[in-house]
Amino acid sequence: EAGVTQFPSHSVIEKGQTVTLRCDPISGHDNLYWYRRVMGKEIKFLLHFVKESKQDESGMPNNRFLAERTGGTYSTLKVQPAELEDSGVYFCASSLGGAYNEQFFGPGTRLTVL
Amino acid sequence: GEDVEQSLFLSVREGDSSVINCTYTDSSSTYLYWYKQEPGAGLQLLTYIFSNMDMKQDQRLTVLLNKKDKHLSLRIADTQTGDSAIYFCAGRSGQGGKLIFGQGTELSVKP
Repeated sequence: EAGVTQFPSHSVIEKGQTVTLRCDPISGHDNLYWYRRVMGKEIKFLLHFVKESKQDESGMPNNRFLAERTGGTYSTLKVQPAELEDSGVYFCASSLGGAYNEQFFGPGTRLTVL
Repeated sequence: GEDVEQSLFLSVREGDSSVINCTYTDSSSTYLYWYKQEPGAGLQLLTYIFSNMDMKQDQRLTVLLNKKDKHLSLRIADTQTGDSAIYFCAGRSGQGGKLIFGQGTELSVKP
């Protein structure tokens, strides 16, 4: 069974540009989470989808970040315009329905904003 | 909100035991978790402990939970070079089950 996949694995962009990260969860997982780790710091929650609905977006840093999950399958996280402080590793995780099921993580996308 | 703290680095010799410590502030976390991240890979769930337990053992891994001091530890017995990785402790917060992570402890195992 395929795990959580993320694309791209690395992205290097200049300040002011736009980047879109994609996450494909494990098939059948209704819950999809985005997290971010800024260099050397803790992994921080960004938002949580249940199917196509945003359940909790309390961790989104500002309105330059837009997450979507059309049709309740894959999700995209767009950063527009990117700033230097957006650099970090963006992780996606998915889990079966319910709040306490194991979250399976993807390998992450390393974003570098120059 | 919840805060989770970990020491950043730990270095041990192969065959020794490793103990990675974590403190947390939110006592309402129902589960507490340990994740492992190897280079270039995602986070892998190693083990977890329910908040009404004091200890959980799983092969070489022992998790100890001190609820009074809000302290969680992960002991790895007979540490191997393959255990070199970053270890994150995490609590699970409220509805929706988002994870609250510490900064991660980088474990280096020397032969």
